[in-house]
Amino acid sequence: TQLLEQSPQFLSIQEGENLTVYCNSSSVFSSLQWYRQEPGEGPVLLVTVVTGGEVKKLKRLTFQFGDARKDSSLHITAAQPGDTGLYLCAGAAGGSNYKLTFGKGTLLTVNP
Amino acid sequence: NAGVTQTPKFRILKIGQSMTLQCTQDMNHNYMYWYRQDPGMGLKLIYYSVGAGITDKGEVPNGYNVSRSTTEDFPLRLELAAPSQTSVYFCASSLSSGGALIETQYFGPGTRLLVL
Repeated sequence: TQLLEQSPQFLSIQEGENLTVYCNSSSVFSSLQWYRQEPGEGPVLLVTVVTGGEVKKLKRLTFQFGDARKDSSLHITAAQPGDTGLYLCAGAAGGSNYKLTFGKGTLLTVNP
Repeated sequence: NAGVTQTPKFRILKIGQSMTLQCTQDMNHNYMYWYRQDPGMGLKLIYYSVGAGITDKGEVPNGYNVSRSTTEDFPLRLELAAPSQTSVYFCASSLSSGGALIETQYFGPGTRLLVL
C-alpha cells in the first residue's frame, strides 16, 4: 500500500506569514497532485507535478516535487485569509493513473 | 456546465435504514468515483467506475453498492446503515486521456450523512 504522510496536520498563522507544508512517502510516485478543499466543498485541483525536482508556481504558491519522486512540498508566501482550507496531496495508486491515494491533509487557518 | 452534482446535501438515517446517494456529472467523463471523508483521515476510495456498466471496489467497499447504467450517473447505495458509515461522501469524475499522466479529478460538493 502506498501511503502519503502530510505534515503538519494543523497550522494556524497570521496574515502575511510564510509557510510550508509537506507530503512524504516511502514509495515512488510517477506524479503527485495537490488539492485544496474549502469548508463544505469538495477538493479542487491546484497542481500536478510530474518530474523529479520540478518546481511549479501558482501566484503565491510554490510546489516542489522531490528529486526521488517520494515527496513534495507546498510553500505559501504572504498567506491571506483566502488561503484557509484543507490542503491534500494525492498520488496515483497501484500503478494506475486514475485511482488516487490521498494524504490526510494539512488544515491551514490564516487569521486576519 | 454544472460539473458534478450530488444529492442530498445532508441526511440523517436510523441504523438499518437504506438510502441512495445520487451523483451526476455533465462533463462526459468516463471515470467516476465515490470517496468517504472522515475527520482527520483524508479521502478513502469506496468504489469507482471506468465506464457505463463497469464498476470495481476501492479501498473501503464493505457496506456499499454501486451501479453505472449511464455515463452521467453513478449512485451509491447503503443497504443497512451503520453508525460507522457516518461520514461525508464525495463523488468525483475524470476524463481518461489514455496517457500515463495522473488524471485530474473533479469533485462534487459532498453529502453529509449521519447514522444514529
